[in-house]
Amino acid sequence: EVQLVESGGGLVQPGRSLRLSCTASGFTFGDYAMTWVRQAPGMGLEWVGLIRSKAYGATTEYAASVKGRFTISRDDSKSIAYLQMNGLKTEDTAVYYCTRIDGYNSYDYWGQGTLVTVSS
Amino acid sequence: QSALTQPASVSGSPGQSITIFCTGTSSDVGGYNYVSWYQQHPGKAPKLMICDVTKRPSGVSNRFSGSKSGNTASLTISGLQAEDEADYYCSSYTSSSTVIFGGGTKLTVL
Repeated sequence: EVQLVESGGGLVQPGRSLRLSCTASGFTFGDYAMTWVRQAPGMGLEWVGLIRSKAYGATTEYAASVKGRFTISRDDSKSIAYLQMNGLKTEDTAVYYCTRIDGYNSYDYWGQGTLVTVSS
Repeated sequence: QSALTQPASVSGSPGQSITIFCTGTSSDVGGYNYVSWYQQHPGKAPKLMICDVTKRPSGVSNRFSGSKSGNTASLTISGLQAEDEADYYCSSYTSSSTVIFGGGTKLTVL
């Protein structure tokens, strides 16, 4: 059974950093691109970024709203994807979901999400 | 890049059909057959309902179907059921190699 479990969320002050983890199981993690999607309270889904599989160079893409502040990485030996968030802003407050990508734009499995609250 | 345009809400009675439209540009919806639709119930993670414009993942009811014309994609739900009441989001691959979501549509089953 495919499972994605996010961790690392919490309360953080503006300007600080936080690293989220997405631990995967039930599939060959290294074969898939992974992505992060967030949802601010009461709002819609916002794409954050993705990391391709090593077969595609483990290259990354980011939304304009987080580019230069957020970094996605992966450790295929541990089946974990990471989201390093630096220079956090209050508008980054959201539930962060990790998802598996099948193809170009099919997010077929989602984690339960982890809440990040940026507040002083 | 602005979000794809979806109606804020739609409604229908049990047994009826409804269609949710998702409008983008030639740089996203119109340029690629990589439109997906997601269903989200309150407090839950989204669920993939349609991918690659028309494909239905295993386990998704055949009451759900997708299509596209030009820069507008659509999700049709036939034979509405109470359990279909949820938020629905479209998404598209873009010419910048990123992904963009729609603002979401709240479906109410009357």
